[in-house]
Amino acid sequence: ETGVTQTPRHLVMGMTNKKSLKCEQHLGHNAMYWYKQSAKKPLELMFVYNFKEQTENNSVPSRFSPECPNSSHLFLHLHTLQPEDSALYLCASSQDNGRSRSKNTEAFFGQGTRLTVV
Amino acid sequence: DQQVKQNSPSLSVQEGRISILNCDYTNSMFDYFLWYKKYPAEGPTFLISISSIKDKNEDGRFTVFLNKSAKHLSLHIVPSQPGDSAVYFCAASGSGAGSYQLTFGKGTKLSVIP
Repeated sequence: ETGVTQTPRHLVMGMTNKKSLKCEQHLGHNAMYWYKQSAKKPLELMFVYNFKEQTENNSVPSRFSPECPNSSHLFLHLHTLQPEDSALYLCASSQDNGRSRSKNTEAFFGQGTRLTVV
Repeated sequence: DQQVKQNSPSLSVQEGRISILNCDYTNSMFDYFLWYKKYPAEGPTFLISISSIKDKNEDGRFTVFLNKSAKHLSLHIVPSQPGDSAVYFCAASGSGAGSYQLTFGKGTKLSVIP
C-alpha cells in the first residue's frame, strides 16, 4: 500500500464511450500527476497539478481531460479515445517543496489503471 | 528524442552476484536522478536517488553511481536476491519548483536466478 489508490484497476471501453479514471492520495501531498505507460515506451508525463492548479500539460490530446477538485483527488476523464490510447495510466503524488528534496519527498505511484480501447 | 536511456531491456544475474543496471541521459539540466522498481501489476516504487552534487549514494544493498561528465549513472545491487527480480526504471529531473516532473527511461527487466 503506497497511499495512492487508483480505480478502476482495469477498464475496457469503446471508442465512443466516456469514462473516468480516479486517483486518491492519503499522504497529504500537494502535487499530483498523471503518467502514461505504453508498451515498449518510457513513462510519459501527461499532467501536473500543484495545489489543485494545473501547472503542466505535456501536449496531451483534448480527449484526455484532467480534473483536480482538491489536493487529494485527481481524475482523468476520457472520451472518444483511440485504440492507440490503450496503455497503463499511472497516478502519482509528491510533496513539492521547491528546491528541497529528500527521500521523503519522492513521488509515490498508484498501481495504475490498465486501459484497453476497442 | 529520449532524454533518459536504458539501453539494456533485460538482464539476468545469478543469486548472490552483483547486478549492474545502467542509464544514460542527454539533458544537461538534469540534476537529480532516481531509480524506481516495478513489479507486475503494481506501480513503480521509489528505490534510491542521487543529487548531481554527489557521485555515489548507498542504501543497504543498493548503490547508485553518477558520472556527470559522461552523463551516466548506474545502480548496483549486491548481493542480488530473487526478490529483486523486477523492472527497474531510471528517472531524472531538473531543479527548482515543479521539479518532480520526472523523465523516465524505458526500463530494464532484471531476473535474478536462484
